[in-house]
Amino acid sequence: QQQVKQSPQSLIVQKGGISIINCAYENTAFDYFPWYQQFPGKGPALLIAIRPDVSEKKEGRFTISFNKSAKQFSLHIMDSQPGDSATYFCAANNNAGNMLTFGGGTRLMVKP
Amino acid sequence: KAGVTQTPRYLIKTRGQQVTLSCSPISGHRSVSWYQQTPGQGLQFLFEYFSETQRNKGNFPGRFSGRQFSNSRSEMNVSTLELGDSALYLCASRAGQGNEQYFGPGTRLTVT
Repeated sequence: QQQVKQSPQSLIVQKGGISIINCAYENTAFDYFPWYQQFPGKGPALLIAIRPDVSEKKEGRFTISFNKSAKQFSLHIMDSQPGDSATYFCAANNNAGNMLTFGGGTRLMVKP
Repeated sequence: KAGVTQTPRYLIKTRGQQVTLSCSPISGHRSVSWYQQTPGQGLQFLFEYFSETQRNKGNFPGRFSGRQFSNSRSEMNVSTLELGDSALYLCASRAGQGNEQYFGPGTRLTVT
C-alpha cells in the first residue's frame, strides 16, 4: 500500500488563475509530503513540503492543503503564470525509510 | 553550494551491455538515492545509500546495483541491459537529517 494517486493528469489554466492538483495516499505511515516541479530536460525541483501536524502551508504563490482524515493533500498555485508551465509531482515519505513514493504527475499549462 | 551533479547526461547502450552512472551529491550531504523515471511507470525508487551503506532498496531486479564512496559520491550500475531500462535515471541527495531530497538533472539512458 505504497501508492500515491495524483489528479488530474493534465491541466490548462489561464494566466492569473488558480491551478489545483490533488493527491491521495493510503499508507498512514507517511509523514512527509513534498511537491516537486519538473521542467523538460531537468530533474525534479523541490517546491514545497508539509507534515501532517499542520493543515496548510503557504510559500509565496504556492499553498499545500492537507487533510489527514481523508488522506489527501493538494497543491494550489495562485496567480498562475506561463512560467509555471511544468510537470508537478506529489510525493510521500516516512521517517523510517527515505524513499519517496511519487504520484503519477500533472502536466500544467498556463495560457497567456 | 553547487547542486547535485550527474554524469554522463546522455548515454546510448546496446542491449546486453552494462552501464555505470555517477552522482555527486550536494556538499555535506551524506545520503544519495537513485530513482528511475519512465513515461509508463513514472518515478520509482531504486535504492538509497548513506555513509557507504545501502539502507533501502526498491523493487528492481538484481541487475541494478549501486555503491557509495567515502566522499559520498555514488555510482549505480545496470548489467545485461534490456530495452525496458531506457529511462531517465535521477540521483537525489539529502543531508543526514531532514527529509528534503534534492535532485540532479539526471542521466538519459537509451538502450537499443
